[in-house]
Amino acid sequence: SQTIHQWPATLVQPVGSPLSLECTVEGTSNPNLYWYRQAAGRGLQLLFYSVGIGQISSEVPQNLSASRPQDRQFILSSKKLLLSDSGFYLCAWSVPGGSTDTQYFGPGTRLTVL
Amino acid sequence: AQSVTQLDSHVSVSEGTPVLLRCNYSSSYSPSLFWYVQHPNKGLQLLLKYTSAATLVKGINGFEAEFKKSETSFHLTKPSAHMSDAAEYFCVVNVYNFNKFYFGSGTKLNVKP
Repeated sequence: SQTIHQWPATLVQPVGSPLSLECTVEGTSNPNLYWYRQAAGRGLQLLFYSVGIGQISSEVPQNLSASRPQDRQFILSSKKLLLSDSGFYLCAWSVPGGSTDTQYFGPGTRLTVL
Repeated sequence: AQSVTQLDSHVSVSEGTPVLLRCNYSSSYSPSLFWYVQHPNKGLQLLLKYTSAATLVKGINGFEAEFKKSETSFHLTKPSAHMSDAAEYFCVVNVYNFNKFYFGSGTKLNVKP
């Protein structure tokens, strides 16, 4: 069966510090991968999605970046965190192609920027 | 263009009474539609999905949703609310082969004893 992991589960970082959040998927090959952010009182905002290694699409201009160094690994990064980067970050995967795609979500990372 | 509108940001029901969470969508193509549930500080869990088969879809935990193309709606219902149903619910539309999922703003369900 497929599983998705995210770490760390919680993170407290000072403004201006770097960030690296990792997401890995097991039990499937060549998944579509997604990073979402959920800020307090707001819905889910799609940040990045990837359809393959090294292929990243950015949805919202910001100081975050994403990379996909391996087929089932998706990394969210920042060189300098802002207060507004605080939120709940969710990684998700789906099977590419067809009209029956379903997204499966990881447990999330709670990021607090102070 | 694709979009999802969840008509209520908060819904409050008493335990044992019916639940109705409303969702309307806009899509230029035949969509797939989903409902997810999120408990506090947890990831999203799939409740059910519609993928052009039966218009009445049954999901986990007694939830179901009906796809009504004429009304562009996909409302989520449950005959009898349980305290454990208190959570936030998201309606989602996916358009074939676009690799994107469009989320509604969410509805927080409160269940009173």
